[in-house]
Amino acid sequence: AQSVSQHNHHVILSEAASLELGCNYSYGGTVNLFWYVQYPGQHLQLLLKYFSGDPLVKGIKGFEAEFIKSKFSFNLRKPSVQWSDTAEYFCAVNKPNFGNEKLTFGTGTRLTIIP
Amino acid sequence: GAVVSQHPSWVICKSGTSVKIECRSLDFQATTMFWYRQFPKQSLMLMATSNEGSKATYEQGVEKDKFLINHASLTLSTLTVTSAHPEDSSFYICSARGLAGSEQFFGPGTRLTVL
Repeated sequence: AQSVSQHNHHVILSEAASLELGCNYSYGGTVNLFWYVQYPGQHLQLLLKYFSGDPLVKGIKGFEAEFIKSKFSFNLRKPSVQWSDTAEYFCAVNKPNFGNEKLTFGTGTRLTIIP
Repeated sequence: GAVVSQHPSWVICKSGTSVKIECRSLDFQATTMFWYRQFPKQSLMLMATSNEGSKATYEQGVEKDKFLINHASLTLSTLTVTSAHPEDSSFYICSARGLAGSEQFFGPGTRLTVL
């Protein structure tokens, strides 16, 4: 079964610092990759996704992620974080399967930005 | 993005009673809905996938007789936790998707506490 690992459980940064959150997956075949964000008290929202093509994916709010197939990784990055980026971040994977793309989530990384 | 609502947002019930949680897609037709469970400080675990008009597909280890899922229309799916026990206390989240392969949109979640 596929699994997703997020090794950083809680990251604390100051505003304007650069961010990189790790995500590794175990599935060896073709995968779709996602990053979701959950702001305090809100529902999960899609930040960005990778299906194919350019491995460097740009998402909303200045986030980007790079798919490195050889490392089974899809790390999330942002060059300069803001206090409003404080949230829980989830990496997720699914296997392209027409009509049944179940998502497998990582355990999440809590990001706290200090003003 | 599309909007998915859940009702109620939180519920407290006595052990042995049944609780129904509704998931609605407000501005699109959801051919597929997913139900997840999230434990504190843990990831979302997929419980089941339901396609409109057909029986739900449950993940391994999820009791289908305990977690009854109905997806009778393209905008509504319900999860009924039957004979709830304290160990069923959790955060239940639904997501909805229109066409196969399209983005899943998440509801805000329902916090269930069983006394």
